[in-house]
Amino acid sequence: GAVVSQHPSRVICKSGTSVKIECRSLDFQATTMFWYRQFPKQSLMLMATSNEGSKATYEQGVEKDKFLINHASLTLSTLTVTSAHPEDSSFYICSAPSGTSVRGSYNEQFFGPGTRLTVL
Amino acid sequence: AQSVTQLGSHVSVSEGALVLLRCNYSSSVPPYLFWYVQYPNQGLQLLLKYTTGATLVKGINGFEAEFKKSETSFHLTKPSAHMSDAAEYFCAVSLGNQFYFGTGTSLTVIP
Repeated sequence: GAVVSQHPSRVICKSGTSVKIECRSLDFQATTMFWYRQFPKQSLMLMATSNEGSKATYEQGVEKDKFLINHASLTLSTLTVTSAHPEDSSFYICSAPSGTSVRGSYNEQFFGPGTRLTVL
Repeated sequence: AQSVTQLGSHVSVSEGALVLLRCNYSSSVPPYLFWYVQYPNQGLQLLLKYTTGATLVKGINGFEAEFKKSETSFHLTKPSAHMSDAAEYFCAVSLGNQFYFGTGTSLTVIP
């Protein structure tokens, strides 16, 4: 199957700094990527949909100025957590869907390995 | 509205026993259905999926699931649990351009 990578896998930063997380589709092109946040022992919470060449679509309650998303190419989306605070500490996962069917639903999503962010 | 319900946030089974993880969905049209497994500090790995065709789907690591439209269910089973099956399991549906995840079930395998 297709491979999605994330970098870094783990980052520790001081409060007030910004952190950039990269999500790459290694062997396929992804016009759309999704960014999720996962708290311990909980499910994935969709934060935003990253669209190549256009603005990201944010879910309700997610601050777009806090979580900056850039999808500059068909294989790379980045999530920047600006002015990070301890409450931003979490596990961030990106994914890229495969092609759609005639019903318009994605056949599958390929997930990155995740990035563990710890803000001190 | 679409939703995915996983009954039982924690399931414990003995090694060698049957594994049954439950998933029900609500949707006005049959969605695509998925089961993912997540090991600690890792991303999600696809176990199996149902899109069309045969309603009994076989996946990796000996898991299988059956799509039952009349029950709006997609329960995950494995005949004999192995210690390495201990992980978090997520049921998901794909409808339109959105994926909807269940809340997850943590599987513990007792030696």
